Amino acid sequence: GAGVSQSPSNKVTEKGKDVELRCDPISGHTALYWYRQSLGQGLEFLIYFQGNSAPDKSGLPSDRFSAERTGGSVSTLTIQRTQQEDSAVYLCASSLVVTYNEQFFGPGTRLTVL
Amino acid sequence: AQTVTQSQPEMSVQEAETVTLSCTYDTSESDYYLFWYKQPPSRQMILVIRQEAYKQQNATENRFSVNFQKAAKSFSLKISDSQLGDAAMYFCAYKLRSGTYKYIFGTGTRLKVLA
Repeated sequence: GAGVSQSPSNKVTEKGKDVELRCDPISGHTALYWYRQSLGQGLEFLIYFQGNSAPDKSGLPSDRFSAERTGGSVSTLTIQRTQQEDSAVYLCASSLVVTYNEQFFGPGTRLTVL
Repeated sequence: AQTVTQSQPEMSVQEAETVTLSCTYDTSESDYYLFWYKQPPSRQMILVIRQEAYKQQNATENRFSVNFQKAAKSFSLKISDSQLGDAAMYFCAYKLRSGTYKYIFGTGTRLKVLA
């Protein structure tokens, strides 16, 4: 694809509901990253994938957060029982390999939990 | 633990003038990368410039250049001949060269360009 795409671009949900955020990386990129950007904050690393495996999930803020990647391509970040503090922009990035240092970012999903 | 600090939440510059954005970082490592990313209102993060810590020469990309002071752990971004399209959030980031995949980002500096 031309770039990293994310859907939806905006999501409004009620507290307690589950949400799924999708990331479609650049074709051929084996490394995929998820970040959270809260208002006035920098980017908070959540998780990365090398292929379909996620060697380190320690960046996920709680067990309500999970992510998976299938076919070495699309990734889904799931937040269960959303809370108001989950409101943020969720950014996805991909790179050719995890050790190659240029990440290409998607436009993000703005999540608002009411 | 590594940290990245951007002490200027907001900066303004007149069109065609020069502005410098500050970034300091804390690390006990010697081999790492430093980055400046730009995030316009579209939210799409774009890599502006990258510096490898083992290189003493400051990186440059057209109107963008850095002042990398390894001993002082300082990595500032200079934008020359500022243009309206330069208005954005700018993030400084750090990554070890090997052994980890994690990038550490600063909190960002919002740059306003005045016509």
